[in-house]
Amino acid sequence: DIVMTQSPLSLSVTPGEPASISCRSSQSLLNSNGYTYLDWYLQKPGQSPQLLIYLGSNRASGVPGRFSGSGSGTDFTLKIRRVEAEDVGVYYCMQALQTPVTFGQGTRLEIK
Amino acid sequence: QVQLQESGPGLVKPSQTLSLTCTVSGGSIRSDGFYWSWIRQPPGKGLEWIGYIYYSGTAYYNPSLKSRVDISVDTSKTQFSLKLSSVTAADTAVYYCARYDSGSRAGWFDPWGQGTLVTVSS
Repeated sequence: DIVMTQSPLSLSVTPGEPASISCRSSQSLLNSNGYTYLDWYLQKPGQSPQLLIYLGSNRASGVPGRFSGSGSGTDFTLKIRRVEAEDVGVYYCMQALQTPVTFGQGTRLEIK
Repeated sequence: QVQLQESGPGLVKPSQTLSLTCTVSGGSIRSDGFYWSWIRQPPGKGLEWIGYIYYSGTAYYNPSLKSRVDISVDTSKTQFSLKLSSVTAADTAVYYCARYDSGSRAGWFDPWGQGTLVTVSS
């Protein structure tokens, strides 16, 4: 199985400040088709997870421009340019390169 | 807009079989390129992929659960189902159904159902 490791596991950010979450995979997520199978999800309190970023760097429909995904191979980053109160929740990275699909442990973001 | 809704018992006794159904609305369960998925989340913990199924019936399971899991699809009812046998307290979790986009340039879960809590207890 591909192991996904996130850091930090928790983050406290002042509104308006940036935030960054790292995700590392135990093997490269680059597919032979040239795409990298790494997604980011946000689970807001009391809600089901929602897709934020797919294929490493593509924002899902309706996701604000302050969210961006980057990285390649085994190292990935989710950045929030200026954190807002509505961004609180747990962020998960996920690899879809091979089954079993696996998720990172999650990073809890709170507002200071 | 596709929506998914889980349904089923919220309480299951140890050693029995957990059975859940996900109803798909707003779109076709027979659409090419989509797998219909189950994911679970124990209270206060992270996400675990259980498995997914194509409308043709082809299914893939997490090896950690494979011996106890069966996912089926009923295209006439636009539903797919999960059965997990021989449950223990460790199977207590919120169970989500979700659509997995598996197109040639895809690999993500969207949308997700709201989730249903299943507690395993006597």
